[in-house]
Amino acid sequence: NAGVTQTPKFQVLKTGQSMTLQCAQDMNHEYMSWYRQDPGMGLRLIHYSVGAGITDQGEVPNGYNVSRSTTEDFPLRLLSAAPSQTSVYFCASSYRRGGAYEQYFGPGTRLTVT
Amino acid sequence: GQQVMQIPQYQHVQEGEDFTTYCNSSTTLSNIQWYKQRPGGHPVFLIQLVKSGEVKKQKRLTFQFGEAKKNSSLHITATQTTDVGTYFCAGRGTSGSARQLTFGSGTQLTVLP
Repeated sequence: NAGVTQTPKFQVLKTGQSMTLQCAQDMNHEYMSWYRQDPGMGLRLIHYSVGAGITDQGEVPNGYNVSRSTTEDFPLRLLSAAPSQTSVYFCASSYRRGGAYEQYFGPGTRLTVT
Repeated sequence: GQQVMQIPQYQHVQEGEDFTTYCNSSTTLSNIQWYKQRPGGHPVFLIQLVKSGEVKKQKRLTFQFGEAKKNSSLHITATQTTDVGTYFCAGRGTSGSARQLTFGSGTQLTVLP
């Protein structure tokens, strides 16, 4: 199993550009999430999905869209990039094992918006 | 909304010394998870605590969940250079949107050889 994969690894955007960060998992996990990580602030939840066709907002959803058409894929779209969206983005998938929702994180995408 | 505070933000220890990081939630949690992130890497799940007063051990790591289910700690005995990284707690609330995981800001551990 490849686990959780994310592309691209690095990306530089100009203010106002749009792009999609890709996330895929091959573990048949129902639950997927997107986080952003900024220095000194831990990970903040952007959007999450509890299954194909179902998505919901997290703590910091503004400026981002998601969709979940399949169990495997959960892309994150930046509608109009802003410098405040410079961050490291992590996708995660999880399932319930022994009562714990163990999250598996992808390697991350480092995004810079100039 | 739900807040999870984690202290200290940074900790430098000599190899062989012990290390502890603490998490405090503004609300009662249904469970708390701990993750480790190596420099340049991604968070890796360590453990989940669910019960009030629960204590779990993984080799040199001891995890505790407070009686009121609002605080937690991770203690590492006799640190090694392989313990270097940032340790995050993540609490899950009991209702509504608070059921999502809220991460603490992490404790960055440096182990000096």
